[in-house]
Amino acid sequence: AQTVTQSQPEMSVQEAETVTLSCTYDTSESDYYLFWYKQPPSRQMILVIRQEAYKQQNATENRFSVNFQKAAKSFSLKISDSQLGDAAMYFCAYRRRSNQFYFGTGTSLTVIP
Amino acid sequence: DTAVSQTPKYLVTQMGNDKSIKCEQNLGHDTMYWYKQDSKKFLKIMFSYNNKELIINETVPNRFSPKSPDKAHLNLHINSLELGDSAVYFCASSRLTGNTEAFFGQGTRLTVV
Repeated sequence: AQTVTQSQPEMSVQEAETVTLSCTYDTSESDYYLFWYKQPPSRQMILVIRQEAYKQQNATENRFSVNFQKAAKSFSLKISDSQLGDAAMYFCAYRRRSNQFYFGTGTSLTVIP
Repeated sequence: DTAVSQTPKYLVTQMGNDKSIKCEQNLGHDTMYWYKQDSKKFLKIMFSYNNKELIINETVPNRFSPKSPDKAHLNLHINSLELGDSAVYFCASSRLTGNTEAFFGQGTRLTVV
């Protein structure tokens, strides 16, 4: 079974600073996809960034980047120049080739002005 | 146009009632899902439906039944509602192949009283 672990239930960061959210996963597959989703208080699930397991290069999307360590089964999200609008729940997700998605327990990010 | 839409957004009902939540996607995706998000924000897969193949999470009570009249719709029917069914229910969809994320509806907050 695939499991996704987010060990930080809550994190906080000062506005304009950098924060890293951790995610590890357990799998026996070699080909899969990883995602970070953001869920603001509006409860809409918003894709932040994606990573293909076969790509060694870490994905980046503007202020968001990942540190993907396949051997360690680690997929952390770095948010640079944090903004008030980044405050939300962040979910790490694993997608199997069979198209099943599994989500971590989430990290609640607070941005301090 | 909304990619994945689910109705209603809010549903308050009494214990023992039967209710349905509707979901429609206009993305042409092959796979649709239902997730349950509890008060601790845990997102748990309930069902996935892919080209008439239904994959059921074994922990889901059989009071919950998905119904898919066509590829664009996956409705969730719940019989004999219980207090513990109170949660936010998310519909989502994704393409079967390629590096694609799951697109989520806006969620239905179900409150059983």
